[in-house]
Amino acid sequence: DTAVSQTPKYLVTQMGNDKSIKCEQNLGHDTMYWYKQDSKKFLKIMFSYNNKELIINETVPNRFSPKSPDKAHLNLHINSLELGDSAVYFCASSPLGTTLRGYTFGSGTRLTVV
Amino acid sequence: DQQVKQNSPSLSVQEGRISILNCDYTNSMFDYFLWYKKYPAEGPTFLISISSIKDKNEDGRFTVFLNKSAKHLSLHIVPSQPGDSAVYFCAAGTSNYQLIWGAGTKLIIKP
Repeated sequence: DTAVSQTPKYLVTQMGNDKSIKCEQNLGHDTMYWYKQDSKKFLKIMFSYNNKELIINETVPNRFSPKSPDKAHLNLHINSLELGDSAVYFCASSPLGTTLRGYTFGSGTRLTVV
Repeated sequence: DQQVKQNSPSLSVQEGRISILNCDYTNSMFDYFLWYKKYPAEGPTFLISISSIKDKNEDGRFTVFLNKSAKHLSLHIVPSQPGDSAVYFCAAGTSNYQLIWGAGTKLIIKP
C-alpha cells in the first residue's frame, strides 16, 4: 500500500493550460504539503495544510492553489501554466506537530510545460 | 539566501568504507535537523534526525553529528553499501514545523 500517492507521475502540457495534480495519503496524518524541486534540485515548500490552517509560501504565484476535499487529500491546481513551472512536484504528509519524525513523501510528478 | 548548505554536490566512496556527508546552516534558531535519502524517480525518504539539544544520534549504520557552535552537521554511514548510492538531503526546521532544505549530495558507492 502506497502511503502517499500522487497522480499523474508525468504531465506534459502547453503554456496557458490549467492542470491539477492529485495527492492522497493513507497514513492518517494531519498535515499535508506540496514541494517544488526546481532545476537546481532545491526542494522548496509551496504550501502546508491541515484542517485548520493553510500556510502559503509567499513566493508562490497565486496561479497555484491547493484544494483539500478532506484530510487525506491535498490537490494542487495550477492555472495559466508557464514554462517556468516545469519542475518535479512532491506531495508529503506528516503527523501534526511533527519534528523529528520527518515527512512521508510521494514519488513526485514531473511537470513539463511546452 | 541559502540557510542550509550542502557544499559537496557529489561524493564517491568505496564499498565498506565510511561515507561522511556534510551540511552547514546559518540560522541558530533551527530546532531540529533531518537527513533524507532520495533515489531517482522517487520521493525523498526520511533517514535520521537530531534535536538541537543533542550532539549525536545513531540508528544502525547511520549516525548524525551536530556541532552547534560551528553550525555544522554530518551524516556518517558505516559501512557503506551499494544500496546507499542516492542523493542525500539535509533539512533544518524551526518550531513552526517548516523545513529548509539543502541542495543535496549525490553519494556514489563504488564496488
